[in-house]
Amino acid sequence: DAMVIQNPRYQVTQFGKPVTLSCSQTLNHNVMYWYQQKSSQAPKLLFHYYDKDFNNEADTPDNFQSRRPNTSFCFLDIRSPGLGDAAMYLCATSRVRSGLKDTQYFGPGTRLTVL
Amino acid sequence: GEDVEQSLFLSVREGDSSVINCTYTDSSSTYLYWYKQEPGAGLQLLTYIFSNMDMKQDQRLTVLLNKKDKHLSLRIADTQTGDSAIYFCAESTDQTGANNLFFGTGTRLTVIP
Repeated sequence: DAMVIQNPRYQVTQFGKPVTLSCSQTLNHNVMYWYQQKSSQAPKLLFHYYDKDFNNEADTPDNFQSRRPNTSFCFLDIRSPGLGDAAMYLCATSRVRSGLKDTQYFGPGTRLTVL
Repeated sequence: GEDVEQSLFLSVREGDSSVINCTYTDSSSTYLYWYKQEPGAGLQLLTYIFSNMDMKQDQRLTVLLNKKDKHLSLRIADTQTGDSAIYFCAESTDQTGANNLFFGTGTRLTVIP
């Protein structure tokens, strides 16, 4: 039973063409996260939502935006993808925001290719 | 800032034990985690340890924490080919108002049949 679902698994876009990645969860968790993972690198947190409260990491480029229309769904919008934005994008959820033992559940990721 | 380091590669023979090491710099780390990432998949939480513990065992997995040296290790006993994956060490601090989960670069474990 999938708990964190990401669509599509593979996305190809053109340089500068806006793209949206989707994440949904069946866990009813309060927090949803987006991470960027470049090849052979650690996942890097872009932002997270605690309910409807949006929290951007300080070094996340303005090119990246997010929307959370309801508890179950969260979207990552890349307004003008550059070649450097090609990466695996991981969505995760947790029940609460504190790091206190509250497991982050990860989706399978969407691999974005920018041509 | 926080820095979590791991060696990039490890190869072991099937049936042997694997030991994956991690060092971190943030002395206020509260929880330390090990995640597994199989090819094309997301991260799966394997185990975690609270910073006031020095060892945790869970079936084939043993986590050792040396808080003084800021060193964390994951031992996998009787390593199987299905254990081939990338293993990420991660740390978090229990700070109100933010979830600070910092990952290492990952160790790619290859199990040789």
